[in-house]
Amino acid sequence: NAGVTQTPKFRILKIGQSMTLQCTQDMNHNYMYWYRQDPGMGLKLIYYSVGAGITDKGEVPNGYNVSRSTTEDFPLRLELAAPSQTSVYFCASSQGTGGYTFGSGTRLTVV
Amino acid sequence: AQSVTQPDIHITVSEGASLELRCNYSYGATPYLFWYVQSPGQGLQLLLKYFSGDTLVQGIKGFEAEFKRSQSSFNLRKPSVHWSDAAEYFCAVGADTDKLIFGTGTRLQVFP
Repeated sequence: NAGVTQTPKFRILKIGQSMTLQCTQDMNHNYMYWYRQDPGMGLKLIYYSVGAGITDKGEVPNGYNVSRSTTEDFPLRLELAAPSQTSVYFCASSQGTGGYTFGSGTRLTVV
Repeated sequence: AQSVTQPDIHITVSEGASLELRCNYSYGATPYLFWYVQSPGQGLQLLLKYFSGDTLVQGIKGFEAEFKRSQSSFNLRKPSVHWSDAAEYFCAVGADTDKLIFGTGTRLQVFP
């Protein structure tokens, strides 16, 4: 049982480049989330989804986009990378009972 | 608006000592409350959660937390800390269980 899988684990981007952070879960969870973690700031919600075809903005959505075409996948897209997007990104899923299962994270550096 | 405050950024304890990590929340009704632990380079793992009922909840790894409505607190405790408990701990609150707000975390260091 893999749980929540995030790829890549590390990435360095140049300013203005684009990339997609992949997230896949095999637990048939309806709810999926993207958070970013910055030192001393805790986790901030970027986007979330309550089911396939449904997404909504979280606290810090600017500069990001998401899609949810299947229950399993919830990719996060950065269109024009900026240094402010240097962070650790976590994907999580849940059944809606608050017991989030987190992926191991993607460490992104924008230079 | 909902918010979570973890007043202690960094706590150091000796192995075998007791531990209490503080968490205060702001929310108009009874929230759903959670504690997560993050080991270096890892994702977050759920330690315990409170939805309703008994205000003292037991979690994994010997942790417990007590919900105190009058103090808007949900402090995490452990009677005897092990070196492997060194990690960062996050408190989280949600009005609905499908969307949580996390505190800024408390880093626990354990000395032998």
